[in-house]
Amino acid sequence: EAGVTQSPTHLIKTRGQQATLRCSPISGHTSVYWYQQALGLGLQFLLWYDEGEERNRGNFPPRFSGRQFPNYSSELNVNALELEDSALYLCASSSGPRERWYNEQFFGPGTRLTVL
Amino acid sequence: AQSVTQPDIHITVSEGASLELRCNYSYGATPYLFWYVQSPGQGLQLLLKYFSGDTLVQGIKGFEAEFKRSQSSFNLRKPSVHWSDAAEYFCAVVRGSARQLTFGSGTQLTVLP
Repeated sequence: EAGVTQSPTHLIKTRGQQATLRCSPISGHTSVYWYQQALGLGLQFLLWYDEGEERNRGNFPPRFSGRQFPNYSSELNVNALELEDSALYLCASSSGPRERWYNEQFFGPGTRLTVL
Repeated sequence: AQSVTQPDIHITVSEGASLELRCNYSYGATPYLFWYVQSPGQGLQLLLKYFSGDTLVQGIKGFEAEFKRSQSSFNLRKPSVHWSDAAEYFCAVVRGSARQLTFGSGTQLTVLP
């Protein structure tokens, strides 16, 4: 069974540009989570999507946004990139909230975003 | 607000030696606790989790952790470390309704031959 996949592996952008990161969850999982792992700031929760809707959002500005598609894959968009957005962005997936209040989150390998 | 503290930024042990990584949490309700491992350039892999019940939990790769409510701790242990255990280890807690993981700052483990 395929795990969580993310693309691209690396992404280089300049300040002010937009970045789009993609995530495909494990088959059968309906929830997708996004985390940012920035140097010196650790792992921080960004967004949670389930059944196409945003369920929860971390303490990030609105230029961080995303969506979930009918096939449960997800995109993370970062607008007006700033130097401090350089980080590893991790996607995780789990089964949906109706099955149990919490299920294990399985992580992908991440997308390394570099903002120059 | 919930928080997770990993007081050791970096730990070095010799191969074959025992290991204990510390984790303290601050959370008002019954915590749900996790240990993840991250190898260089890779995502996170779940080692073990505690939801309720037996306070000593067994995980993958020979790891175990003990939940101590009185000390607000969830320390990770391994009796004999292998060179392949060198990685960064993260303790995490989840707040149920929000389902987001809150991570500690991580402990980098170096294993000497």
